[in-house]
Amino acid sequence: DTGVSQDPRHKITKRGQNVTFRCDPISEHNRLYWYRQTLGQGPEFLTYFQNEAQLEKSRLLSDRFSAERPKGSFSTLEIQRTEQGDSAMYLCASSQSPNQETQYFGPGTRLLVL
Amino acid sequence: QKEVEQNSGPLSVPEGAIASLNCTYSDRGSQSFFWYRQYSGKSPELIMFIYSNGDKEDGRFTAQLNKASQYVSLLIRDSQPSDSATYLCAVSRDYKLSFGAGTTVTVRA
Repeated sequence: DTGVSQDPRHKITKRGQNVTFRCDPISEHNRLYWYRQTLGQGPEFLTYFQNEAQLEKSRLLSDRFSAERPKGSFSTLEIQRTEQGDSAMYLCASSQSPNQETQYFGPGTRLLVL
Repeated sequence: QKEVEQNSGPLSVPEGAIASLNCTYSDRGSQSFFWYRQYSGKSPELIMFIYSNGDKEDGRFTAQLNKASQYVSLLIRDSQPSDSATYLCAVSRDYKLSFGAGTTVTVRA
């Protein structure tokens, strides 16, 4: 069990650029989640997948954000036309349904938009 | 009202003492309850989960859940300097986690 991995770990970009993050869940986990965390706050839910199906998307998520999990394994989160307010830690987690609700987090991708 | 509220902290305890962390939640439909530990600059790490009313012990950690009062707590016994971190309370409904802002604990030697 290698745990959840995320890539890149850090990303610095200029306002208006597009960025894409990747998450590889724990191998037998069929649920994958994306959260965002800003300084001094707990993580906020963005979206989640069961296998390749995106089951829910937060109302906080603007149209500039899109996530995919094309083959039910890894997932990507893309942010288009980044804004300074997008600067945050983007966390991916996975769990194994239906028997386990416990979510295990990856190391996160820290995004800084200049 | 925030969905999940925690003591704002910071909480400073001497080494070897008990640290007590509290959390309340607003959604009565919440199904599962979790405590995560987060070191500065790192991602959350699961400490414990609890689903039923009562106490659950795991090593030096005890989680307590009271659904009627919508209250979850975490006790850390024999606190160690390595316990110095931010502790996040999370509640789950329909597989989504809602987190509190966290309580920062400092264990002083």
